[in-house]
Amino acid sequence: GENVEQHPSTLSVQEGDSAVIKCTYSDSASNYFPWYKQELGKRPQLIIDIRSNVGEKKDQRIAVTLNKTAKHFSLHITETQPEDSAVYFCAASINQFYFGTGTSLTVIP
Amino acid sequence: GAVVSQHPSRVICKSGTSVKIECRSLDFQATTMFWYRQFPKQSLMLMATSNEGSKATYEQGVEKDKFLINHASLTLSTLTVTSAHPEDSSFYICSAIPPRGSYNSPLHFGNGTRLTVT
Repeated sequence: GENVEQHPSTLSVQEGDSAVIKCTYSDSASNYFPWYKQELGKRPQLIIDIRSNVGEKKDQRIAVTLNKTAKHFSLHITETQPEDSAVYFCAASINQFYFGTGTSLTVIP
Repeated sequence: GAVVSQHPSRVICKSGTSVKIECRSLDFQATTMFWYRQFPKQSLMLMATSNEGSKATYEQGVEKDKFLINHASLTLSTLTVTSAHPEDSSFYICSAIPPRGSYNSPLHFGNGTRLTVT
């Protein structure tokens, strides 16, 4: 089955700096890659997603890039704010969703 | 749209009792729902896939007799933790794919249930 790895597990950045979280996947047939943000004790919420026919997608301060050849995709958050602090999960989907292990992001004011 | 509601949000029960968790799709019909378990500071672990009108598909290592899943209608799936023990304490989250969606569409999550077994 699919194996999704996510790095780093923890990330601290100064407010205003950028944050990058990387994921790799193993199954080249995976074709959908969502990113979720989860605050403590709450449900994961979709923040951005990308499909395999696209290399990059941007939504305001958030962007995702996908390299199908290398089988990796990354989340980029620019101009980070304290409210961006949360756990972020990547996922790869083919016939079910496979989640990464999560990255705890802390934005220091 | 595509709202998933989960109830209860928190439950404390005594060891040996059973607990039922409900997952409802409020504004769409979900033929497929998923149940996840999440330990503190860890990722979402898929427990089972719930299909309306048929038996759930359990992931390897998940006891189907302990975690009973029923998906009796297109808007409701239930997870019953039977004979709960302290090691069953965890955060349980359901999710669903909206109609006409597929595995390349976003999952919509319920708000989760914090189960504590004493």
